[in-house]
Amino acid sequence: AQSVTQLDSHVSVSEGTPVLLRCNYSSSYSPSLFWYVQHPNKGLQLLLKYTSAATLVKGINGFEAEFKKSETSFHLTKPSAHMSDAAEYFCVVSVWIKTSYDKVIFGPGTSLSVIP
Amino acid sequence: NAGVTQTPKFQVLKTGQSMTLQCAQDMNHNSMYWYRQDPGMGLRLIYYSASEGTTDKGEVPNGYNVSRLNKREFSLRLESAAPSQTSVYFCASSEEGQFQPQHFGDGTRLSIL
Repeated sequence: AQSVTQLDSHVSVSEGTPVLLRCNYSSSYSPSLFWYVQHPNKGLQLLLKYTSAATLVKGINGFEAEFKKSETSFHLTKPSAHMSDAAEYFCVVSVWIKTSYDKVIFGPGTSLSVIP
Repeated sequence: NAGVTQTPKFQVLKTGQSMTLQCAQDMNHNSMYWYRQDPGMGLRLIYYSASEGTTDKGEVPNGYNVSRLNKREFSLRLESAAPSQTSVYFCASSEEGQFQPQHFGDGTRLSIL
């Protein structure tokens, strides 16, 4: 079975300091992993995805994530937070099994606040 | 540069009323999805359509029906609304062969009294 755990429901950082949003997953198959961002009253936007190529994945807006199979983790990082990064972040695990819908699992989300 | 467009953005219904949420995408994507988002629960898949003419149930399909009207449009219908269906509904689409939504609409905020 697949599952996603986002270890922090809320993270607060100061502008210009590093961001770390933690995600652990469980999957019986080789997963694809994603991070999405949701700004208030908006839909989700894909930040980055891991699909079994390079374990360090670079995304948009300076974010990156590292796939660590031994730790079953896919943490999202950014060296320096910007005010515009304040949003909700979702970690997602996806396993492509034809005809099976329920292999896309969204985590519960982490709310990121950025303090000026 | 519209992407995925959802209408309406907000709606208030009374228990037992029916309504249809509309979704259209202009990216020529084959796959479309309907999700609901509830606090602390992430997104849950209601229905999806892998291609024009096909629809399949997701994780939480009860109380909903869908229609893939053509390649562009994928509607979600509540036949008899219940307070438990108060939620934010998102439509999404993706390219063929990629079973993960890549483009989301801005959502429909639905309240059922």
